[in-house]
Amino acid sequence: QSVLTQPPSVSGAPGQRVTISCTGSSSNIGTNYDVHWYQQVPGTAPKLLIYGNSNRPSGVPDRFSGSKSGTSASLAITGPQAEDEADYYCQSYDSSLRGWVFGGGTKLTVL
Amino acid sequence: QVQLVQSGAEVKKPGASVKVSCKASGYTFTNYGISWVRQAPGQGLEWMGWISAYNGNTNYTQKLQGRVTMTTDTSTSTAYMELRSLRSDDTAVFYCARTTRYYYDRRGYYLPEINDAFDIWGQGTMVTVSS
Repeated sequence: QSVLTQPPSVSGAPGQRVTISCTGSSSNIGTNYDVHWYQQVPGTAPKLLIYGNSNRPSGVPDRFSGSKSGTSASLAITGPQAEDEADYYCQSYDSSLRGWVFGGGTKLTVL
Repeated sequence: QVQLVQSGAEVKKPGASVKVSCKASGYTFTNYGISWVRQAPGQGLEWMGWISAYNGNTNYTQKLQGRVTMTTDTSTSTAYMELRSLRSDDTAVFYCARTTRYYYDRRGYYLPEINDAFDIWGQGTMVTVSS
């Protein structure tokens, strides 16, 4: 059971907006620790997608966006493309565990 | 370019140990920390621990305390992760990732930024534990 909770799967068609939620607690997201998002295509290493809740590294398309409120965060993909089919993980720091924690991952299917 | 290159796949018997290396290039190794993350087949990402390349301080997840040791060799900009007493459920892909850039806080202390993302990842090392 992961400390951060994500839905196991989401799906959407190009032209739609897909969101992936990440629910934490007062010892991680709710304590003002940043949330980061990673994209992992099966068989490859994770890639940083969003850092510091809502910032995109250079080269990440602007159809990806992140937000955070209270003890939760969200990743939105506006108009998902076929190449966006992957697993997505949220991550933060947990003060009770004194370490970093990941969500269980969400598989995105593009219809 | 900034990259982390890991050692190759390993096959180990239960009870053995494995040591995975992670060689950094393209940045000042001692200005950051390195985290290790593992992923069992078909499962999610699990943080294993962190080591400061600046001073060697470590922080391991409680689940692996006593079985894992992380070290660095600053002369070669390489981080190492050793896992002992291997079991079949340790079979996984192991990743190293750069994180926690060091900075001076307002009091002048040189500290790791724990809010930093894992921005650079190694390619992964498959470790199979099987009799």
